[in-house]
Amino acid sequence: KNQVEQSPQSLIILEGKNCTLQCNYTVSPFSNLRWYKQDTGRGPVSLTIMTFSENTKSNGRYTATLDADTKQSSLHITASQLSDSASYICVVTISNDMRFGAGTRLTVKP
Amino acid sequence: DTAVSQTPKYLVTQMGNDKSIKCEQNLGHDTMYWYKQDSKKFLKIMFSYNNKELIINETVPNRFSPKSPDKAHLNLHINSLELGDSAVYFCASSQRTSRDTQYFGPGTRLTVL
Repeated sequence: KNQVEQSPQSLIILEGKNCTLQCNYTVSPFSNLRWYKQDTGRGPVSLTIMTFSENTKSNGRYTATLDADTKQSSLHITASQLSDSASYICVVTISNDMRFGAGTRLTVKP
Repeated sequence: DTAVSQTPKYLVTQMGNDKSIKCEQNLGHDTMYWYKQDSKKFLKIMFSYNNKELIINETVPNRFSPKSPDKAHLNLHINSLELGDSAVYFCASSQRTSRDTQYFGPGTRLTVL
């Protein structure tokens, strides 16, 4: 069983709508938790990075939250745009090691 | 200028061949990485190099060998290619350690026939 589980596996929303992606992890303690956006055919790009003690971090229309008690993180996307269509990957870093989620494939339709 | 670059972008080769993928970063970062992304889009770390020293090797077959001639380069050499090696390989770098933000290259799609 993967130590970082993401849900849903895929999601389709209409342009302008909000959505929330989930990341549940079992690794503990950890150094930081990151969300990456990966466009098709491109390398991942960092969206947010949170340490164990932080519970929210924003980057434009992207807001990540972290609940260390329940070991859950979420990525909320506000007022979605067509360019938000991509895979979103949750990564938990433990010391020098990293655990990757399988990603959520988001499709934004006009 | 591209921060992390990889060559080639596409690589098609026969089983049993030996091939290399090159990676260069111009960010002045200390640590570089190689990742493999399979057909299910799952990213897996293969290697991490910090100041020319290997610090992670995640049970990768010894047919794969990273080579770092200097801090700005981390090349991936693959011997005796197998069908299962077909994937997209990403290079990345970070300022000091894996706790820092990583910057990824555009990827190299390897197809083994």
